Amino acid sequence: DQQVKQNSPSLSVQEGRISILNCDYTNSMFDYFLWYKKYPAEGPTFLISISSIKDKNEDGRFTVFLNKSAKHLSLHIVPSQPGDSAVYFCAASSNQFYFGTGTSLTVIP
Amino acid sequence: NAGVTQTPKFQVLKTGQSMTLQCAQDMNHEYMSWYRQDPGMGLRLIHYSVGAGITDQGEVPNGYNVSRSTTEDFPLRLLSAAPSQTSVYFCASSYPITQNIQYFGAGTRLSVL
Repeated sequence: DQQVKQNSPSLSVQEGRISILNCDYTNSMFDYFLWYKKYPAEGPTFLISISSIKDKNEDGRFTVFLNKSAKHLSLHIVPSQPGDSAVYFCAASSNQFYFGTGTSLTVIP
Repeated sequence: NAGVTQTPKFQVLKTGQSMTLQCAQDMNHEYMSWYRQDPGMGLRLIHYSVGAGITDQGEVPNGYNVSRSTTEDFPLRLLSAAPSQTSVYFCASSYPITQNIQYFGAGTRLSVL
């Protein structure tokens, strides 16, 4: 049973616009949430994280929002750049890490 | 600064063969784990370890064995390879899991014929 879900397998955005990637989870015991970025033939690399005691964390062009009541996580990328084209995984942790199925982002120049 | 190192990068096996995927980290991380990535399935946890001598099963452990004799190394053994084990395998490590980040290796692409 998938505890972390990314319902959009793919997303296309014009360069300079906002990219919004979404993630839903089912386990209220998760206390830490992360986004990873993955290029082909490479391992996932950490992008940004948020603790369950916060509702927003910002790092440059990347912002993660957490809505605990809705069990929903989102990643905003503003402005989007062609180099952001990759697969993005959300993850949640309690005693293990649980990953979503990924969203493939394409930023069109 | 090596981080998490996986070997080999590519491997082709015949059904029934056994092999060991190697993983080593130089960050003195206590937590290490193995995932497999399949199309449409995301990253699924195979086995994990919270420290030397301690291992536990993840979501998809069948057909795989692990051991953790040192902090640095966490090998994954395929006992008798099956075509269903064709996948990309990632090793990851972190400090104790609470509020910490996992760092991943570059992956091993395995094909079982």
